[in-house]
Amino acid sequence: DAKTTQPNSMESNEEEPVHLPCNHSTISGTDYIHWYRQLPSQGPEYVIHGLTSNVNNRMASLAIAEDRKSSTLILHRATLRDAAVYYCILLTSPGAGSYQLTFGKGTKLSVIP
Amino acid sequence: DADVTQTPRNRITKTGKRIMLECSQTKGHDRMYWYRQDPGLGLRLIYYSFDVKDINKGEISDGYSVSRQAQAKFSLSLESAIPNQTALYFCATSDYGVEQYFGPGTRLTVT
Repeated sequence: DAKTTQPNSMESNEEEPVHLPCNHSTISGTDYIHWYRQLPSQGPEYVIHGLTSNVNNRMASLAIAEDRKSSTLILHRATLRDAAVYYCILLTSPGAGSYQLTFGKGTKLSVIP
Repeated sequence: DADVTQTPRNRITKTGKRIMLECSQTKGHDRMYWYRQDPGLGLRLIYYSFDVKDINKGEISDGYSVSRQAQAKFSLSLESAIPNQTALYFCATSDYGVEQYFGPGTRLTVT
């Protein structure tokens, strides 16, 4: 499986934008880029996913490099509730056999009031 | 009510005991999963099931077994618990699409 590389930790001030990077230089053409986050003492929560084009939803935006070797999760205005571990995960297209999320260590985001 | 529930939420057991963790979902999804999380690490897949008659081993299935009793229920068993199975266990569910919905987790301690 293609691997991802994320910084261990990042800090952001409350109400500032946050850009969480992810490198995936061995990504294949059928790999989707997924982001999940895990708030303290909770199960992981889906954030967003994309294939080639940038994506927006109510929680965040996903910016994907043109060569797809990296991506950035953007939180437009960090709140204290966004403090969590963010996981960048590659997944082959749905329906292509198994559908296993492989979690790395993720990026621990701290939000400073 | 939560979409994915896990029972118990916390459990302490002794080495060699058999223990079952239960998971129920109200999403109506066919696919269910069991993961474990060790401190400071990401989640690792133990077993997954794509429908009631389908059970598959994940990355770390040794020492575990599962039972899919119904579309909504998926239980994980430790036949003879050992201390290195002390971890946080998560159940998840998904439909044919993308998003997996996770339960709140069960904290298991094996002494």
